[in-house]
Amino acid sequence: DGGITQSPKYLFRKEGQNVTLSCEQNLNHDAMYWYRQDPGQGLRLIYYSQIVNDFQKGDIAEGYSVSREKKESFPLTVTSAQKNPTAFYLCASSVLAGEAGELFFGEGSRLTVL
Amino acid sequence: SQQGEEDPQALSIQEGENATMNCSYKTSINNLQWYRQNSGRGLVHLILIRSNEREKHSGRLRVTLDTSKKSSSLLITASRAADTASYFCATDKIQGAQKLVFGQGTRLTINP
Repeated sequence: DGGITQSPKYLFRKEGQNVTLSCEQNLNHDAMYWYRQDPGQGLRLIYYSQIVNDFQKGDIAEGYSVSREKKESFPLTVTSAQKNPTAFYLCASSVLAGEAGELFFGEGSRLTVL
Repeated sequence: SQQGEEDPQALSIQEGENATMNCSYKTSINNLQWYRQNSGRGLVHLILIRSNEREKHSGRLRVTLDTSKKSSSLLITASRAADTASYFCATDKIQGAQKLVFGQGTRLTINP
């Protein structure tokens, strides 16, 4: 079945460590997105990519990095520069059609800093 | 920055009643979308309404859009316990970069 796969589902990190969250899609979508969600809050955009080898910062990109070497993959690295990384991270993808279309989400990765 | 603001933040009703959630936004939009999120899960798309549409239906869902007031409402009729979830509106700004901006959501609880 087509969809988005995020891994790992749960991740624990010590302060000062970088961690990478995986996001893979087999929907053949051009656009991919990373959002952060804090408890009881909405989603905030970290990074997005509309084409391979290109990506743009969202509203809260500081302390994060991404790559888009393949259409189906958009990994997110949470670096030690991110001051408060404990959160729920959601990856999404969509078709590009002149306006933002329906987003398809993965099941999320919950990162906890110990 | 948050574009959409949902109201109320939390809503608790009895099974069988209708649930209404509202969303307000600040700038002109191409479209407005509603999503549902079960606790600890990813979001699921419910419905998209374009700026030139005023109302849209999908099963037990009814969405309205008033661009003059920059607001939208989501009505769930004949609610069921399985409708318990958080509901988010998201907007795509005109001249934006084809990215959605989400509100903070309404947490809906349906009591059996």
